[in-house]
Amino acid sequence: GAGVSQSPSNKVTEKGKDVELRCDPISGHTALYWYRQSLGQGLEFLIYFQGNSAPDKSGLPSDRFSAERTGGSVSTLTIQRTQQEDSAVYLCASSLAIGAGANVLTFGAGSRLTVL
Amino acid sequence: EDQVTQSPEALRLQEGESSSLNCSYTVSGLRGLFWYRQDPGKGPEFLFTLYSAGEEKEKERLKATLTKKESFLHITAPKPEDSATYLCAVQVTGGSYIPTFGRGTSLIVHP
Repeated sequence: GAGVSQSPSNKVTEKGKDVELRCDPISGHTALYWYRQSLGQGLEFLIYFQGNSAPDKSGLPSDRFSAERTGGSVSTLTIQRTQQEDSAVYLCASSLAIGAGANVLTFGAGSRLTVL
Repeated sequence: EDQVTQSPEALRLQEGESSSLNCSYTVSGLRGLFWYRQDPGKGPEFLFTLYSAGEEKEKERLKATLTKKESFLHITAPKPEDSATYLCAVQVTGGSYIPTFGRGTSLIVHP
């Protein structure tokens, strides 16, 4: 597609429920990133996928968070047993293959999660 | 630990009143420094990449500069449509390609 697509754009859930957030990156972009943005906070790194390599999960805040990327394209971020502190905007970004230079990220519009 | 600090947190300007946003960074080795613009309800949008001290990039009313310790985003004669949050990010050498972001500067330009 022309840009990074995320769904749903808005999700309200009850504490303790599981949620899935989807990201469809730009075609041909092999790197995919998930960040979390809370009110008044910067972008907090969650997880990074690059091609067929093992993902970098170093930013996941707890074992309730997981993500997968199928076929090197679409990615799903899953949050189990949601807590109120999980409320945030979840941003997905993609970029071209890693090279010698710095790589520019293209972001989606985000999925706003509210946990009641 | 790599750190990125942006100041001020918020800035209010009158239309036409020029100013600068600051991004200071502490990293082991800089691969690149990025500036992004974020409008409410949207994801960040890329503005500039700077690679080495002394480098400058310009786009319309925006000019980004880089030293060994900080970057400035200069806004000349801003217009209300320049109102947004401006984010700085760094990518380091030697391993991870994951950009580290600052908390941003929220800019409001009054007509």
